[in-house]
Amino acid sequence: EVQLVESGGGLVQPGGSLRLSCAASEFILGTFGMNWVRQAPGKGLEWVSYISGSGGTIYYADSVKGRFTISRDNAKNSLYLQMNSLRAEDTAVYYCARDFYNRIDSWGQGTLVTVSS
Amino acid sequence: EIVLTQSPGTLSLSPGERATLSCRASQSVSSSHLAWYQQKPGQAPRLLIYGASNRATGIPDRFSGSGSGTDFTLTISRLEPEDFAVYYCQQYGSSPPINFGQGTRLEIK
Repeated sequence: EVQLVESGGGLVQPGGSLRLSCAASEFILGTFGMNWVRQAPGKGLEWVSYISGSGGTIYYADSVKGRFTISRDNAKNSLYLQMNSLRAEDTAVYYCARDFYNRIDSWGQGTLVTVSS
Repeated sequence: EIVLTQSPGTLSLSPGERATLSCRASQSVSSSHLAWYQQKPGQAPRLLIYGASNRATGIPDRFSGSGSGTDFTLTISRLEPEDFAVYYCQQYGSSPPINFGQGTRLEIK
């Protein structure tokens, strides 16, 4: 069974940085595009970023462009999200999510990021 | 950017009833690029429907999707207690590549 396990969330002050990781198992990460999707407390789903299987194609939501960087290490079967210049509005559960032919077919359990002083 | 608007915001029904959830796009969407997800409290979303009308693996046949162009519908034929949750539609586009509707909360009446 496909597994995605996020880590790296926590409490950070405004303006600070955090790096999220997503460990994939039971499938070869390099053959799939991957996404980060977030959900602020009590709110809906917001797509954050996408990276293709090779890493050659990357997209960001306007709300995080220039502050967040998505990357992957296929040899380690891992996905990352480097988050800089964090703001209160970045507070959310961040999900790692597998892309499969125009749908997200697998999600991690999420990791909570709280930006607060 | 295509905006997805889901209605109603909240739907109150009883087990055994039929639920009809709507997702309207601000521009035409390819049916192959429209999906539905279910999310229960404290859990990650789960894929229900892809390509507007195809059930994902393991999804009961009481769930069905339909629609084309700008209007899409998720129907649950007979509600089971475990179906009460929040439902999101989602489309794949070009800029941004993914966006979600704001969700419909299906609650027990």
